Amino acid sequence: EAGVTQSPRYAVLQEGQAVSFWCDPISGHDTLYWYQQPRDQGPQLLVYFRDEAVIDNSQLPSDRFSAVRPKGTNSTLKIQSAKQGDTATYLCASSFQGANTGQLYFGEGSKLTVL
Amino acid sequence: QQQVRQSPQSLTVWEGETAILNCSYENSAFDYFPWYQQFPGEGPALLISILSVSNKKEDGRFTIFFNKREKKLSLHIADSQPGDSATYFCAASQGGNTGANTGKLTFGHGTILRVHP
Repeated sequence: EAGVTQSPRYAVLQEGQAVSFWCDPISGHDTLYWYQQPRDQGPQLLVYFRDEAVIDNSQLPSDRFSAVRPKGTNSTLKIQSAKQGDTATYLCASSFQGANTGQLYFGEGSKLTVL
Repeated sequence: QQQVRQSPQSLTVWEGETAILNCSYENSAFDYFPWYQQFPGEGPALLISILSVSNKKEDGRFTIFFNKREKKLSLHIADSQPGDSATYFCAASQGGNTGANTGKLTFGHGTILRVHP
């Protein structure tokens, strides 16, 4: 069974540029999460979806960050006008709510450096 | 506000020793506590978890001890191996005991474990 797939693995930007990260969750998983992991810190939830609906985006900086999951499968996280403070690894995770184990399956992440 | 705290920040043990990683939390509503293991360049992976209705959970060399009254838990890694060298994250969420776990995890900053052969 394929795991969570993310691309690109790395991105280097100048401040003010935009970037999009793509995530393909495990097949059959209805819940998808985007976490931000700054260097030497734990992951911090940005947004999560159940199917195509946003369940919680309260930690998503809405002025520059956006996330969609239009068909309830793949998802895209976009950062517009990136800042140096956005430098971090962006992790996508998925789970199946019906299993009720609480277990999240993470991808390898997309490492963003903003110069 | 750091709702989940971990200590020490880093820990070095010799192969065969028991490593003890500590975690504390503030939110009394948290009832599900997973520990995730992360190797460099990889995403975190679930290692072991516990619900707040239990005070101990074992899985092979890994054991969680949980103290609800003090809002503390610890991960014990017995017979540590060099392959256990990684960053360990304590996390917490709500709804685990009621069957309504959202999977919305709050993570600590992590403990970097190094096991010397």
